[in-house]
Amino acid sequence: GAGVSQSPSNKVTEKGKDVELRCDPISGHTALYWYRQSLGQGLEFLIYFQGNSAPDKSGLPSDRFSAERTGGSVSTLTIQRTQQEDSAVYLCASSFLTGRRNSPLHFGNGTRLTVT
Amino acid sequence: DAKTTQPTSMDCAEGRAANLPCNHSTISGNEYVYWYRQIHSQGPQYIIHGLKNNETNEMASLIITEDRKSSTLILPHATLRDTAVYYCMGGGNQFYFGTGTSLTVIP
Repeated sequence: GAGVSQSPSNKVTEKGKDVELRCDPISGHTALYWYRQSLGQGLEFLIYFQGNSAPDKSGLPSDRFSAERTGGSVSTLTIQRTQQEDSAVYLCASSFLTGRRNSPLHFGNGTRLTVT
Repeated sequence: DAKTTQPTSMDCAEGRAANLPCNHSTISGNEYVYWYRQIHSQGPQYIIHGLKNNETNEMASLIITEDRKSSTLILPHATLRDTAVYYCMGGGNQFYFGTGTSLTVIP
């Protein structure tokens, strides 16, 4: 079956520009997560959604980062006025439910963002 | 959120069993232990999870201590394709990853 799909797979942008990253979760998965992984580093939790609401936004690095989810499906992560330190791979994952602890995450292959 | 500690790196000979330990001493009673792995330039891949009992699937076995403070992921016959970073984590609403163990399978 179809897995988590992220687009674009690669994005190069100039410093100061806005970017939008898209995530299509597995059909029927109500929970959706965003992570960031800088080169050679571990996974940094950014935000998760339960349905269309985001109970925890504490991982977003600054107010330049925002995310939304519509229809309980597709999610968009937006980075405004990009900076070079935003360069990283942005990973999306989905799971059947959160709060229900027997629910593994399924990851996409990420969007590699390069800010020049 | 549960905090985990893992060795930074390990080597394993091809064909031998790879045993990857994880300490999760603060995991709560209803949190599952999950294992994922990440092969270079790919998204993390789910391997296995468990609550109290040992678990086995087509990829690996998971041994959880009786006090649930630690676990071991076992790859019974490691291949070169198993070279990856392996992450152990607790469940809950917030899924935080630690730094993982970089496993290198040696020919």
